[in-house]
Amino acid sequence: QKEVEQNSGPLSVPEGAIASLNCTYSDRGSQSFFWYRQYSGKSPELIMFIYSNGDKEDGRFTAQLNKASQYVSLLIRDSQPSDSATYLCAAFNQAGTALIFGKGTTLSVSS
Amino acid sequence: GAVVSQHPSWVICKSGTSVKIECRSLDFQATTMFWYRQFPKQSLMLMATSNEGSKATYEQGVEKDKFLINHASLTLSTLTVTSAHPEDSSFYICSARVSGTDNAEAFFGQGTRLTVV
Repeated sequence: QKEVEQNSGPLSVPEGAIASLNCTYSDRGSQSFFWYRQYSGKSPELIMFIYSNGDKEDGRFTAQLNKASQYVSLLIRDSQPSDSATYLCAAFNQAGTALIFGKGTTLSVSS
Repeated sequence: GAVVSQHPSWVICKSGTSVKIECRSLDFQATTMFWYRQFPKQSLMLMATSNEGSKATYEQGVEKDKFLINHASLTLSTLTVTSAHPEDSSFYICSARVSGTDNAEAFFGQGTRLTVV
């Protein structure tokens, strides 16, 4: 099965700092990539998706995609304690028939 | 974003019984729905991909006879855990993708916590 890799963390940042989350994927044919946030015991919620190389910004969140390096990242600016959660990176396979998740990175933002 | 409703949100059942979990897309049509299982402190593991009107595609290691998937309409997919055992206790989550759009994002239901006693 194609894989999506993430550092499990925990990643700890102080309030107001930038949190940087990284992800690599093995399926070179993948075209669409997603970042989800999951609080303990809850279902994932979509933060951002990105399809094209480069940066995509939405509020405090910026997703970056580099298809040549098979690398996706998520930057969270001005981190807040409420951002503390597990962040899941996901990629559709080339056919779009399976959405594969990484193991998730736990982010802890301290006030 | 689009709304996916999953029901029930929590179920406790006796070992050996079967449990059905429903996943509905409320405001869009979903040709494809995904079923995931998540154990505590682990990531989502794709169990199967459900396509409306055809057989589901199961991931390696997932027993198709134990986890029955039916996708009878563009807005409803069901997962039935047959002859459940305590090791099937987990968080089951469905996800639906908007039909007819390439690269569309997938939206998640709220999940079903299954406890088999």
